[in-house]
Amino acid sequence: GAGVSQTPSNKVTEKGKYVELRCDPISGHTALYWYRQSLGQGPEFLIYFQGTGAADDSGLPNDRFFAVRPEGSVSTLKIQRTERGDSAVYLCASSLTIAGGRNEQFFGPGTRLTVL
Amino acid sequence: AQSVAQPEDQVNVAEGNPLTVKCTYSVSGNPYLFWYVQYPNRGLQFLLKYITGDNLVKGSYGFEAEFNKSQTSFHLKKPSALVSDSALYFCAVRDIRGNTPLVFGKGTRLSVIA
Repeated sequence: GAGVSQTPSNKVTEKGKYVELRCDPISGHTALYWYRQSLGQGPEFLIYFQGTGAADDSGLPNDRFFAVRPEGSVSTLKIQRTERGDSAVYLCASSLTIAGGRNEQFFGPGTRLTVL
Repeated sequence: AQSVAQPEDQVNVAEGNPLTVKCTYSVSGNPYLFWYVQYPNRGLQFLLKYITGDNLVKGSYGFEAEFNKSQTSFHLKKPSALVSDSALYFCAVRDIRGNTPLVFGKGTRLSVIA
């Protein structure tokens, strides 16, 4: 399929551990977004990339969270010293160029992170 | 700051009846508005968007939405609901000025009863 893919689909870890979540966007999409969705809530913006650079990381909750997109395609969201409050579904989306925000975003199925 | 309100956590409608899922928004300038649907264990799927032009926007699966600037609303509608429309629906907004993040509402669960 040509959609956005995310791995793993589920991740269970222990408090204090480090995790990496991977996103593979739609080919040709230069914009990539990370969101976090808690139960009963809508997606909450974390960070977005235009190409390789983070254009806006204002949604990252603290410095334990970091994301990279070294070649302008695949992105990895990294969480250090995980806490139970980090448990959520992490969603990735991609779109054609930012284009002032008029392009719709295409979402992956998400990674469900559980911190015990 | 941008915000979206979806005042109803749950909407129940009988199959064949018209449905409306409400959304109001707040932005400093003019908005881009979007509706997404989320089925269980699946990612969000794009339904429709308002960018400019005609206030009535038609989208996927027979859904439509009307942009009302004076009421700052963008309600989602469908003339005849199907059981398969049962899902979680999200409204989202971003300001057209600058590359601001997309802000989502908390979602409305639609249940269509046969």
